[in-house]
Amino acid sequence: EAEVAQSPRYKITEKSQAVAFWCDPISGHATLYWYRQILGQGPELLVQFQDESVVDDSQLPKDRFSAERLKGVDSTLKIQPAELGDSAMYLCASSLGDAGAHNEQFFGPGTRLTVL
Amino acid sequence: AQSVTQLDSQVPVFEEAPVELRCNYSSSVSVYLFWYVQYPNQGLQLLLKYLSGSTLVKGINGFEAEFNKSQTSFHLRKPSVHISDTAEYFCAVTGFGDDKIIFGKGTRLHILP
Repeated sequence: EAEVAQSPRYKITEKSQAVAFWCDPISGHATLYWYRQILGQGPELLVQFQDESVVDDSQLPKDRFSAERLKGVDSTLKIQPAELGDSAMYLCASSLGDAGAHNEQFFGPGTRLTVL
Repeated sequence: AQSVTQLDSQVPVFEEAPVELRCNYSSSVSVYLFWYVQYPNQGLQLLLKYLSGSTLVKGINGFEAEFNKSQTSFHLRKPSVHISDTAEYFCAVTGFGDDKIIFGKGTRLHILP
C-alpha cells in the first residue's frame, strides 16, 4: 500500500541550530502539505504545494522556516535557526488531485522535533 | 473563517461500551466535515467525512458521525469500543471553495479494561 514517507522520525537539536525534514508523497499526488502539531493541539497548516508551486504559506514563519518542492515530487522543510518553541511534530500529507476538499489527504508518520 | 471545538479533551470508556466524541463547528459558509484518528507516534488517518447528502456518515472501524446543521455539530459515535480504538481523534472542517482544513484540538479516547 502506498504511503507518505518522512525522515527522520525523531530529531533532537539545540536552539540556534539548523534542521531539515524530508517528505516523499504518494506517487502521483500533486498536492503536498506540511503541518505543525504542537503537543495537545491539532495540526496547523504551514505550507501547501501544488506540484512545485506554493499555494499557501500564510502561516509559515518565513524569517526562520523555508520549504521547497523543486521537482514537484519530494519536499524539504527547513528551520534555521531552531527555537525552543519549534518543538513539535511536523506532519507531511499529500493528496491526489488539485487542492480541494474532495481530495483525501494522506498523512505520513511525522517527524518529532525536540529543541533543547 | 471556520473553527472547530472539541468539547472533551479526554474520554474514558469501558471496553465494549458505546462512545460519543463531541464536535461543534462555526462557519459563515457551508462546510465539509471530517474526523481523523491518530494512533500513538503515527500520522493522521481519515475515519470519515461529510460532504453532502445523508447526514449520517459511516466510516472505517465501525465509527459513524451525524451532521446536524441546526446545532452545528458533527459528533462521532461507536456502539462498542475495543482496546485498539485507543487513540486521539480530531474533528476538522473546511468551507466550500476552500481546501484549508481547520483541526480541533483533539479528544484522547481511553479504553478501560
